[in-house]
Amino acid sequence: NAGVTQTPKFRVLKTGQSMTLLCAQDMNHEYMYWYRQDPGMGLRLIHYSVGEGTTAKGEVPDGYNVSRLKKQNFLLGLESAAPSQTSVYFCASSYSAGGWLAKNIQYFGAGTRLSVL
Amino acid sequence: DAKTTQPPSMDCAEGRAANLPCNHSTISGNEYVYWYRQIHSQGPQYIIHGLKNNETNEMASLIITEDRKSSTLILPHATLRDTAVYYCIVSYDRGSTLGRLYFGRGTQLTVWP
Repeated sequence: NAGVTQTPKFRVLKTGQSMTLLCAQDMNHEYMYWYRQDPGMGLRLIHYSVGEGTTAKGEVPDGYNVSRLKKQNFLLGLESAAPSQTSVYFCASSYSAGGWLAKNIQYFGAGTRLSVL
Repeated sequence: DAKTTQPPSMDCAEGRAANLPCNHSTISGNEYVYWYRQIHSQGPQYIIHGLKNNETNEMASLIITEDRKSSTLILPHATLRDTAVYYCIVSYDRGSTLGRLYFGRGTQLTVWP
């Protein structure tokens, strides 16, 4: 009963390095999301996906890319990390079936803590 | 954009009811009120949602005023494990396929022994 799993849990990067964060869900959800959370702040949506092979920009997409090649996986990439991308990253997923209401019940992973030096 | 106003912090004695208020005076007729919480260092967790009727589940109760401009989340018997940031969110779909959640700063609830 894993739910939403994020890897890695922690990472330290140097400015300019690249990395990929992996999110996997086992609930057969159509929708997946990537958020970032800075200290003392709420979550902000980076990118999201409404199905396999589709992605879209959220509130703060600059500096990030995403891919959804398989329904259960949603990848977040940083091509050239910057100190401003130091944050905690959360992945979430939700249903699309059962009416639109179900889409707003999102299930979150435990987060990835990223530091960019 | 966040359309809700919550107090930044509250505290509650263990075993007592915790009542967390939320103002959403500009809520539209088809917008639902959602509550999530985030325990320190964890991802947010869905608690409950409602449109205009009061709702109750195994975690909490949600009381929405008749004019729907405010609501209260009630944890009937707070425990130390309920210490968390609680987010009140209003949201609906404008005919699109995506439900968006806008997380503000929420209310930090501290339950003390």
